[in-house]
Amino acid sequence: ETGVTQTPRHLVMGMTNKKSLKCEQHLGHNAMYWYKQSAKKPLELMFVYNFKEQTENNSVPSRFSPECPNSSHLFLHLHTLQPEDSALYLCASSQVGTASTKLFFGSGTQLSVL
Amino acid sequence: AQKITQTQPGMFVQEKEAVTLDCTYDTSDQSYGLFWYKQPSSGEMIFLIYQGSYDEQNATEGRYSLNFQKARKSANLVISASQLGDSAMYFCAMREGQISGTYKYIFGTGTRLKVLA
Repeated sequence: ETGVTQTPRHLVMGMTNKKSLKCEQHLGHNAMYWYKQSAKKPLELMFVYNFKEQTENNSVPSRFSPECPNSSHLFLHLHTLQPEDSALYLCASSQVGTASTKLFFGSGTQLSVL
Repeated sequence: AQKITQTQPGMFVQEKEAVTLDCTYDTSDQSYGLFWYKQPSSGEMIFLIYQGSYDEQNATEGRYSLNFQKARKSANLVISASQLGDSAMYFCAMREGQISGTYKYIFGTGTRLKVLA
């Protein structure tokens, strides 16, 4: 079992649909992240949660709505997306507190918006 | 603003040879961390190696080593004895200072490495 699990692996949706991406971490970490990965661009940090509190919203459009009910689960609710939102969405977790702490990633959700 | 630059979009290396992937960074923080990740075609980002800004010795992890030159603000990844399974995208990343107790991590655009048989 991987430490960070993302579902679904692939998602195709129309611009008027509402869908949710799910992330679950089994590592006992207390921080969770959403990143967007588009072709030929650096990974873009979207949201950061620390102990369920949102600590970063990197100017993400409101059509992306995160939810973190507890330290182990993170959701990304999607509605009225645009074709340019098609990308790989990566969830990650880390343990706050040590300088060498690294991000542990899930396998991502490949999103296509038609 | 903090930034990571990877100038090599793609690299080729012969199997069993060594290869260096370049990474430069820009930060005004005194304390920071540098990371390398590997992303195979499956999509998952795999941690390879970490270097702290105060670490005096270059980090090594098996066949991976990090050539850290602080004055030049570079953190190049060296892969020795390349294997076919090393073919993947490689990302350099930097941990920024804490925000409300949580670190932010910024990434470069990546280098696609192809190992040739």
